[in-house]
Amino acid sequence: NAGVTQTPKFRILKIGQSMTLQCTQDMNHNYMYWYRQDPGMGLKLIYYSVGAGITDKGEVPNGYNVSRSTTEDFPLRLELAAPSQTSVYFCASSSVEEIYEQYFGPGTRLTVT
Amino acid sequence: SQKIEQNSEALNIQEGKTATLTCNYTNYSPAYLQWYRQDPGRGPVFLLLIRENEKEKRKERLKVTFDTTLKQSLFHITASQPADSATYLCALPFGGGGATNKLIFGTGTLLAVQP
Repeated sequence: NAGVTQTPKFRILKIGQSMTLQCTQDMNHNYMYWYRQDPGMGLKLIYYSVGAGITDKGEVPNGYNVSRSTTEDFPLRLELAAPSQTSVYFCASSSVEEIYEQYFGPGTRLTVT
Repeated sequence: SQKIEQNSEALNIQEGKTATLTCNYTNYSPAYLQWYRQDPGRGPVFLLLIRENEKEKRKERLKVTFDTTLKQSLFHITASQPADSATYLCALPFGGGGATNKLIFGTGTLLAVQP
């Protein structure tokens, strides 16, 4: 199993541009999460999903959108990039049976200038 | 709102000693608390979960305690090794997160084990 994969690894965006961060898991996990990690700060939950077609906001959802059309994929969309969205983004997943153990991807480092 | 406090200063210890990291929370006591390890440039890796009715949990060289009176969890690594060097994150559920495990994380404490 590849686990949780994220693409791209790095990206530089100009202010106002849009992009989608991809996240895929091959563990058949129902639960998926998006976090951002700023330097010196804890991870903050952006959005989460409990299954295909079901998503909900986390702690810091403003400026982001998500969709969950399949169990495997949970893309994160930035519509109008702002410097405040410069961060490292992590996707995670967990199973119904072991909900407390979240498996994280390697992260996407995004810079908005 | 719930806040998590972890020592932001790095913890430097000698190989073979026991490392003790602290996690304090400020508001309501959570139903459980988790510890993760994060290496540079990588995502966090789940280590242990301890529930509010458990005083102590062990896994190999790791031990976690949970004191709801003090609003504190301690994370111990015994017989530490240089390979244990990493940032250790404390996390707990928010917003009734038990059913979905929505987590808030502390900033983490960097542990450096010197050979």
